[in-house]
Amino acid sequence: GAVVSQHPSRVICKSGTSVKIECRSLDFQATTMFWYRQFPKQSLMLMATSNEGSKATYEQGVEKDKFLINHASLTLSTLTVTSAHPEDSSFYICSARVPVGNEQFFGPGTRLTVL
Amino acid sequence: AQKITQTQPGMFVQEKEAVTLDCTYDTSDQSYGLFWYKQPSSGEMIFLIYQGSYDEQNATEGRYSLNFQKARKSANLVISASQLGDSAMYFCAMREGGNQGGKLIFGQGTELSVKP
Repeated sequence: GAVVSQHPSRVICKSGTSVKIECRSLDFQATTMFWYRQFPKQSLMLMATSNEGSKATYEQGVEKDKFLINHASLTLSTLTVTSAHPEDSSFYICSARVPVGNEQFFGPGTRLTVL
Repeated sequence: AQKITQTQPGMFVQEKEAVTLDCTYDTSDQSYGLFWYKQPSSGEMIFLIYQGSYDEQNATEGRYSLNFQKARKSANLVISASQLGDSAMYFCAMREGGNQGGKLIFGQGTELSVKP
């Protein structure tokens, strides 16, 4: 199937710093990508929809100033966690829908630990 | 209201046996899609199978089949001939039609353990 990559796979940072996570569609163009967060033993919760060339659409309760999303090209979306705090520690995972067909593929995820 | 419900937090199955993972959904849309994903301990989400609301036949992909009962709003995953490598979390998800943009809403997940 289609390949979606994420970088980094793991990151540990100090409280108050910012962390950028990249999501790339490697073999297809994705006008829309999605960012999810998953806490241990829980389901995936949609944070925002990233739209190429326009502003992201955030889900209710997600702080847009804290989780900055930039979708600058058809193959790259970035999520920046600003002024990270320990409660932001989580597994962040992106997905992209293939342009033809119904499948939606996920990146391998990024495990963020904020000390 | 919960849109996707997986009522089995954990399931056990004997190797080589079949297992059914339950999923019910709620939507007022006529056009929607249903997905199943596998998440092993590594965390990656592996796409397994897709069923469109207008598809008349149940979807099948190798050992995976989706038992789609539209009137009951259920989309159960059937795994035949279970293997030890099938042990993982399994998530059911729905994508509604209209202008939702393709976002998926996930159920709570079912942890499947395959016993040798």
